[in-house]
Amino acid sequence: QKEVEQNSGPLSVPEGAIASLNCTYSDRGSQSFFWYRQYSGKSPELIMFIYSNGDKEDGRFTAQLNKASQYVSLLIRDSQPSDSATYLCAGGGFHGSSNTGKLIFGQGTTLQVKP
Amino acid sequence: DTAVSQTPKYLVTQMGNDKSIKCEQNLGHDTMYWYKQDSKKFLKIMFSYNNKELIINETVPNRFSPKSPDKAHLNLHINSLELGDSAVYFCASSQDGDRLNTIYFGEGSWLTVV
Repeated sequence: QKEVEQNSGPLSVPEGAIASLNCTYSDRGSQSFFWYRQYSGKSPELIMFIYSNGDKEDGRFTAQLNKASQYVSLLIRDSQPSDSATYLCAGGGFHGSSNTGKLIFGQGTTLQVKP
Repeated sequence: DTAVSQTPKYLVTQMGNDKSIKCEQNLGHDTMYWYKQDSKKFLKIMFSYNNKELIINETVPNRFSPKSPDKAHLNLHINSLELGDSAVYFCASSQDGDRLNTIYFGEGSWLTVV
């Protein structure tokens, strides 16, 4: 079982709709969760992170965390064609015996926003 | 100024060769990383260094040897390259090993082994 799982997609939504991206994790050692956006041929860029149960909003983006269900999601409101990219979910924490945190990534979900 | 810069950006080489990828960060961060992204876009940590000291060494073949001459630089040397080493290698840095929300990725180095 992968430690962080995402549906690879593609997820296709019309422009202006809400895109909902989901992620589940199996390692309860993960204490924080991150959403990265990666355009084709580019490096991942952090768009949201969340530590506590509940919702966290930043502009058009809302991250949701449910530690009991080991579930993380990212909502993108008013989706734009420029949001078309791969979205990587990552769990962060002190895994194993390391005292330095590391990110464990899911395989990413490709989002296509159609004009 | 690029915050995390990697060279070369593209590298095509033959099996069996030895190659290096260099990384430099000008963010003043203490922790640096190497991540590998395969053809299915799966991004996985390989190594992390904190102030020149190796902290994380994932299950990576011995052919991969990182070197950190100072906390602003983390290079990756790969011996006896294999076809399966073809991937994008991302260098990254963070303020320290705790503040994962400060991780910043370089632009990536596309390695193709033929």
